[in-house]
Amino acid sequence: EPEVTQTPSHQVTQMGQEVILRCVPISNHLYFYWYRQILGQKVEFLVSFYNNEISEKSEIFDDQFSVERPDGSNFTLKIRSTKLEDSAMYFCASSAQGNENTIYFGEGSWLTVV
Amino acid sequence: LAKTTQPISMDSYEGQEVNITCSHNNIATNDYITWYQQFPSQGPRFIIQGYKTKVTNEVASLFIPADRKSSTLSLPRVSLSDTAVYYCLVGDHKAAGNKLTFGGGTRVLVKP
Repeated sequence: EPEVTQTPSHQVTQMGQEVILRCVPISNHLYFYWYRQILGQKVEFLVSFYNNEISEKSEIFDDQFSVERPDGSNFTLKIRSTKLEDSAMYFCASSAQGNENTIYFGEGSWLTVV
Repeated sequence: LAKTTQPISMDSYEGQEVNITCSHNNIATNDYITWYQQFPSQGPRFIIQGYKTKVTNEVASLFIPADRKSSTLSLPRVSLSDTAVYYCLVGDHKAAGNKLTFGGGTRVLVKP
């Protein structure tokens, strides 16, 4: 079964450093997303991406965050100048055109900011 | 997006059927009902989706009454590995920029 893959599975970074989380969405999907989940809290939407541009973003997704699809397979989330409160599990997800309602999630990248 | 209400937690035993009901009184005409499962430290996993009546797949069944103001996820003969958080989501994801809004979910604990 095709799946969304994410790297790294776990990253520890110093406060103020930049982090790039990488994702390979399911190959024929056209809609891409990033969500996050702070330990013990709800899964929160960050951003959706379609046709090489952001289609929607949440209040969380401020200037500290950016997304990019640098090639035909990868989808990245960059977090500049990380803060302690950025510590969370970050999930990448994707869905297919014509079946946008069915969103498939990766296993997540656990980010710890120290 | 329609607001959903579901029980915070449920306990069950191996081999039993688990039914989780979700209320969504202000569901809109174009909204679909989707259920996800999440194990600790893993991403949400799509279980089932429906619009009306009954939908069944190899994992679960989804029952939606005619007024669509609620839905029930049915997990037949659960095992210990079905212990997870189950989320009910309602929305026309196309219209909302493909955004899913997760609530607190229902923590299901399956006991031996």
